[in-house]
Amino acid sequence: DGGITQSPKYLFRKEGQNVTLSCEQNLNHDAMYWYRQDPGQGLRLIYYSQIVNDFQKGDIAEGYSVSREKKESFPLTVTSAQKNPTAFYLCASKVAVAAYEQYFGPGTRLTVT
Amino acid sequence: SQQGEEDPQALSIQEGENATMNCSYKTSINNLQWYRQNSGRGLVHLILIRSNEREKHSGRLRVTLDTSKKSSSLLITASRAADTASYFCATAYSGAGSYQLTFGKGTKLSVIP
Repeated sequence: DGGITQSPKYLFRKEGQNVTLSCEQNLNHDAMYWYRQDPGQGLRLIYYSQIVNDFQKGDIAEGYSVSREKKESFPLTVTSAQKNPTAFYLCASKVAVAAYEQYFGPGTRLTVT
Repeated sequence: SQQGEEDPQALSIQEGENATMNCSYKTSINNLQWYRQNSGRGLVHLILIRSNEREKHSGRLRVTLDTSKKSSSLLITASRAADTASYFCATAYSGAGSYQLTFGKGTKLSVIP
């Protein structure tokens, strides 16, 4: 089955710790995205990558970092500099840079206390 | 980013009734998409309407687009309990070749059996 996997589904961390969220896709998609969703809110773009070894900041990149060393993987690190990290994080991909439809993973709910 | 706004924020209807959700946006678009999100899950793409289209159908879904009013509507006919979910509009801009999506805050639809 082709798709996007995110792990783990639930993640708990203590304040001040960095945490890395996994996103893997076997769709052979070029572009990958990370979004943050807060309760009752829409999605806000954190980072995106259009090709391997290249990525750009989205609207709310502060306190986050990413890497794209492989086409199928786009991990997101939530650093201790992120002031309010508790949220639902969604990874998405699309087949090509010029495509529009995005395919989403199931999400990771991060709780930082 | 220029988020779209869905209206209403929440909608509760009886099974078998039609559900209409609206989306307004602020700047010129290439296309507008509707996504569905079941509680605690990722988003699923429903339908895309291009800026030169006025209406599009897919099964029980009907989408309209009025670029002069910068608005779109999603109609779900003969609703089912399984349609209970949040629905998001996403607008696509092609500025600077980035092909990004900007999501609204969503309409939460409850279909009562």
